[in-house]
Amino acid sequence: AQKITQTQPGMFVQEKEAVTLDCTYDTSDPSYGLFWYKQPSSGEMIFLIYQGSYDQQNATEGRYSLNFQKARKSANLVISASQLGDSAMYFCAMREGGTDKLIFGTGTRLQVFP
Amino acid sequence: NAGVTQTPKFRILKIGQSMTLQCTQDMNHNYMYWYRQDPGMGLKLIYYSVGAGITDKGEVPNGYNVSRSTTEDFPLRLELAAPSQTSVYFCASSYSGARGTDTQYFGPGTRLTVL
Repeated sequence: AQKITQTQPGMFVQEKEAVTLDCTYDTSDPSYGLFWYKQPSSGEMIFLIYQGSYDQQNATEGRYSLNFQKARKSANLVISASQLGDSAMYFCAMREGGTDKLIFGTGTRLQVFP
Repeated sequence: NAGVTQTPKFRILKIGQSMTLQCTQDMNHNYMYWYRQDPGMGLKLIYYSVGAGITDKGEVPNGYNVSRSTTEDFPLRLELAAPSQTSVYFCASSYSGARGTDTQYFGPGTRLTVL
């Protein structure tokens, strides 16, 4: 069965530093997609970045990049130059090929301090 | 462009009451979803729809019903509210076509408390 694991309940990072949020997944399907969402204290879910299982290069979106290591089944989110506004919950999610359902991890709470 | 809108934002129900959570999207997405998020947890899929008139169960469908009469609207019905349904409910939508399914975009959520 597919599964998403986020082992870091909470992370701290100083402003302007980079931080990596871990995500590992388990699936037997060769076709899948990996997503990261941000949930600020206001509660909405904000899409950040997407990586397809067949993508040759790691996805990047501005200050967000996805460190995709297929053999290790990991899809870590890297946030460069952290800002105070990055403080939020971050969720990793997976969609298996042929379905449109997302499976979410339990999230990592990131706190950025000055 | 409003995206995905949900009403109400907050609601308190008594045990046994019923209510409908409304969800509307204006992006012409064919797929729509309902998730619930319990405190300190990720989201779990309740129901989803791949188009008007078509719905299917997700991971946690018990105690809920849905309908999809139009492309834009996907209401979620709670018939007999129970304390276990206290949660934050998110509606989402995405476009699925020949190139596969696009990213899911979420509404702002409805915080429901059942007492």
